Amino acid sequence: GAGVSQSPSNKVTEKGKDVELRCDPISGHTALYWYRQSLGQGLEFLIYFQGNSAPDKSGLPSDRFSAERTGGSVSTLTIQRTQQEDSAVYLCASSVQSGVGGETQYFGPGTRLLVL
Amino acid sequence: QQQVKQSPQSLIVQKGGISIINCAYENTAFDYFPWYQQFPGKGPALLIAIRPDVSEKKEGRFTISFNKSAKQFSLHIMDSQPGDSATYFCAAGGNTPLVFGKGTRLSVIA
Repeated sequence: GAGVSQSPSNKVTEKGKDVELRCDPISGHTALYWYRQSLGQGLEFLIYFQGNSAPDKSGLPSDRFSAERTGGSVSTLTIQRTQQEDSAVYLCASSVQSGVGGETQYFGPGTRLLVL
Repeated sequence: QQQVKQSPQSLIVQKGGISIINCAYENTAFDYFPWYQQFPGKGPALLIAIRPDVSEKKEGRFTISFNKSAKQFSLHIMDSQPGDSATYFCAAGGNTPLVFGKGTRLSVIA
């Protein structure tokens, strides 16, 4: 079966532009996570969706970051007015149900964002 | 603040040797401790995980040792192979999203 897919795989943008990153989770997975991975750093939690519940946005670094999940499936992470420090790999993961941190998360290959 | 501290940052091991990566956590509410393996250009993939009701879990050449009182856990890779060369992340979670360590870049040389 298909794993988690993300698009685009690479994105180069200019400072100040908005970007949208897409995540298609594994079919049937109700939980979806976004992480940011900067060079030499671990995975930084950004946001978590579980079913129809309100998302956990506690990891979003600023109000320039937002995410939505339509129909309980595809998710889009939007970064407005991008800054150079936003350059990183953005990873999406999904899991079967909400064990929050307590179950296997399946990661996509990530979107590599470079802000010039 | 919830943190997971991972060491070393990088590790070079001879083929056939034992690779050991250590992690320490602070939040005693954590009850799930996975290790993820990441190859260049790929997303992390679950390698092995443990819950605090056991002190050790072994899957093939990979073993997690868990010390609840010390709030530490470690990954041991026995008979390390060049194909094990990757970045390894420990993590901790439970009722909150996973908190990841900063990763260890392992190189296994022949």
